[in-house]
Amino acid sequence: VMTQSPATLSVSPGQRATLSCRASQSLSSSLAWYQQKPGQAPRLLIYGASTRVTGIPARFSGSGSGTEFTLTISSLQSEDFAVYYCKQYNHWPLTFGGGTKVEIK
Amino acid sequence: QVRLQESGPGLVQPSGTLSLTCAVSGDSISSSHWWIWVRQPPGKRPEWIGEIFHTGGTNYNPSLKSRVTLSLDKSKNQFSLELTSATAADTAVYYCVRDRLSSHWGQGTLVTVSS
Repeated sequence: VMTQSPATLSVSPGQRATLSCRASQSLSSSLAWYQQKPGQAPRLLIYGASTRVTGIPARFSGSGSGTEFTLTISSLQSEDFAVYYCKQYNHWPLTFGGGTKVEIK
Repeated sequence: QVRLQESGPGLVQPSGTLSLTCAVSGDSISSSHWWIWVRQPPGKRPEWIGEIFHTGGTNYNPSLKSRVTLSLDKSKNQFSLELTSATAADTAVYYCVRDRLSSHWGQGTLVTVSS
């Protein structure tokens, strides 16, 4: 089971956002982060818990291992307001967290 | 550039079969990838339905395994999903995806199960 917190995060542009993802069993580093905007498919941001996909801005960073993971957005831009999901790919079936909605404060 | 495009009926009758196809361009489904279906009910988290390897090997989500079949059509470079005994709980946007890291997604297609 993948649990994300908080469910909603209200942040002002330019501020830092910290999103958490907790797994019910160890994932090692088999954790990915996705961004989803309304009407769009999820977009892969981070895999291996901390490896940023080519083209993803450096303000996005991932950390953690085992059962506790964090996605940090260092300085929120207008295009970053979206829903973020974590997904584990260490155990079958692959499963997503419930999401964190990052909204404008 | 890899592109995936879902197609199929947007409305399915309760107890009917939901059938979708994913056309792949920019890559061959005979290449060494997992070809995957994910669904997302409105306002909820995505759910992994199942995956099929280029060899035809499959893995299905245990919660859906009894109702799901994935298949490949190499002549058309596409893969398909069949979900039987559909209920309202199967209403969702269905995505086809390449690979478990899911860097390539289709745009998604909304399937509503309703009479």
